[in-house]
Amino acid sequence: KAGVTQTPRYLIKTRGQQVTLSCSPISGHRSVSWYQQTPGQGLQFLFEYFSETQRNKGNFPGRFSGRQFSNSRSEMNVSTLELGDSALYLCASSLDKANEKLFFGSGTQLSVL
Amino acid sequence: AQSVSQHNHHVILSEAASLELGCNYSYGGTVNLFWYVQYPGQHLQLLLKYFSGDPLVKGIKGFEAEFIKSKFSFNLRKPSVQWSDTAEYFCAVYSGAGSYQLTFGKGTKLSVIP
Repeated sequence: KAGVTQTPRYLIKTRGQQVTLSCSPISGHRSVSWYQQTPGQGLQFLFEYFSETQRNKGNFPGRFSGRQFSNSRSEMNVSTLELGDSALYLCASSLDKANEKLFFGSGTQLSVL
Repeated sequence: AQSVSQHNHHVILSEAASLELGCNYSYGGTVNLFWYVQYPGQHLQLLLKYFSGDPLVKGIKGFEAEFIKSKFSFNLRKPSVQWSDTAEYFCAVYSGAGSYQLTFGKGTKLSVIP
């Protein structure tokens, strides 16, 4: 069974640009969560999707958005990038609920210059 | 809002030493508790979890954790660490229906010296 796949693995952008990250969950998983990981802050919750609906959103500005498609694949978008957005963005999938075992991808390392 | 505190940022141990990593959470209701581990170059994976019942839970690779409700704690332990346990460990809490998120601590980096 393939794991959670995140693309691209690395991204370098400049301030003001926008970026789209992609996540393909494990087959059969319908819940997809996104987290931002930084050395000082650990993992911070961005949002969670289930059946194309956002069920919860973390405390991030509106520049951070996401969506889920009918095949459960998910994308997140960050507009007007800032230096502080540099981080590892992790996607995790589970069958249904966030309190089930989460399966994480390897992440997308975003560097904003 | 709920929060998770991990007391140690970086722990350095020699092989065969005993390990205890502290984790405290702030939420008064029913919680589900987790420890995740991130080995160097690998993705995060579940180490163990507590939902209900016996407060002492056992996970993979000889790890265990004890839930102490009165102290809002869920400390991770291992009697004898190995070099291969070198990793970053994250405590996380799920506070129930409607939240659909895990709240993670900032992580504890464990370095085991051969």
